[in-house]
Amino acid sequence: EADIYQTPRYLVIGTGKKITLECSQTMGHDKMYWYQQDPGMELHLIHYSYGVNSTEKGDLSSESTVSRIRTEHFPLTLESARPSHTSQYLCASSENTGTGISPLHFGNGTRLTVT
Amino acid sequence: AQSVAQPEDQVNVAEGNPLTVKCTYSVSGNPYLFWYVQYPNRGLQFLLKYITGDNLVKGSYGFEAEFNKSQTSFHLKKPSALVSDSALYFCAVRDLKSSGDKLTFGTGTRLAVRP
Repeated sequence: EADIYQTPRYLVIGTGKKITLECSQTMGHDKMYWYQQDPGMELHLIHYSYGVNSTEKGDLSSESTVSRIRTEHFPLTLESARPSHTSQYLCASSENTGTGISPLHFGNGTRLTVT
Repeated sequence: AQSVAQPEDQVNVAEGNPLTVKCTYSVSGNPYLFWYVQYPNRGLQFLLKYITGDNLVKGSYGFEAEFNKSQTSFHLKKPSALVSDSALYFCAVRDLKSSGDKLTFGTGTRLAVRP
């Protein structure tokens, strides 16, 4: 069982609020990712990081931002939440093997609802 | 660019019968292929991967997948389905040549196993 934790599991907030979704892993993985999973269940990569102080935008444009100050921590922040941000957010990590073949370990997700 | 297709939104099978969940891919280089499973209100769990070598890959929970280069397919199979196999299954591809080590997921296939 992978040790990657996301909090909160569920969050309902009003439009315009600033929120931070937390993600932590205890496996010492260098690579971390944020995926957005829409109601149709498709996953979209929104941010990733290859190590401390490394952050990149993913394939899907997102108004969120991320930071990677510590290896184990990869929080995602929405400065001003909107109803269009309602979705499930999945955090994942993987070992840096240099070959790109290490599988992803996922957290249980945060289901965000913006009213 | 890399892509993966899961042509079936849902697969229905009776318990004890064999199951197949289909996946086809498109890459410009050599593919690294993965299958993940997602149970309700959980993150994705890694099932198996194909990197190189034997075309038949065995994974967790009795699942296996067959890599077919000529048909660019990587179908997930299990000889005898269990009700507990009911979940959402994602195929994913990674093509180091075109995308670094970013993973592209299919749209998912919901497997329903009836008693």
